[in-house]
Amino acid sequence: GIQVEQSPPDLILQEGANSTLRCNFSDSVNNLQWFHQNPWGQLINLFYIPSGTKQNGRLSATTVATERYSLLYISSSQTTDSGVYFCAVINTNAGKSTFGDGTTLTVKP
Amino acid sequence: ETGVTQSPTHLIKTRGQQVTLRCSSQSGHNTVSWYQQALGQGPQFIFQYYREEENGRGNFPPRFSGLQFPNYSSELNVNALELDDSALYLCASSLEVRLEDEQYFGPGTRLTVT
Repeated sequence: GIQVEQSPPDLILQEGANSTLRCNFSDSVNNLQWFHQNPWGQLINLFYIPSGTKQNGRLSATTVATERYSLLYISSSQTTDSGVYFCAVINTNAGKSTFGDGTTLTVKP
Repeated sequence: ETGVTQSPTHLIKTRGQQVTLRCSSQSGHNTVSWYQQALGQGPQFIFQYYREEENGRGNFPPRFSGLQFPNYSSELNVNALELDDSALYLCASSLEVRLEDEQYFGPGTRLTVT
């Protein structure tokens, strides 16, 4: 099945710093979503981005489908950005969705 | 708020027992998917239901089964519980049957098997 690798696995930042999270996938995909999982387990939708670039406030994402990767940018990080960030991809031929193992972000005040 | 709710929030069961977890999808969403998330890992796809029929399945044994009802509610049933079934169980709803539609997740049910 499709493989999804996220990097780095862990990231520690000072408040105000910028960061880039990466998601590589091993096959063509029909859907790619970025999520933020809060400490209580809720997955919060950040972006639905099978291709192209989107921005939402301090966050933006780019997916280059032909090169099989997506990037999530966080600018001017805040302590509330802490948590685990997941990308999830869907290849409809495979018939299921696949998550990466996540990047754990810690933002220190 | 995603409009997706799950119950119960937490549950403790004994090995060998059976459990039923419940999910209420966003109104108008015809597709529900279930995931298992073990500690420190990403969610693993269990199966998907569209208009009350199973529409895709991950690598989970048949003792994991589901039901979807016309009122946008659904159930995940797990028989003969094993210790490794301890995990956070998440449901996600999406508008239509296409797997590539955007998914919206509930808050999860944390199951502990002792």
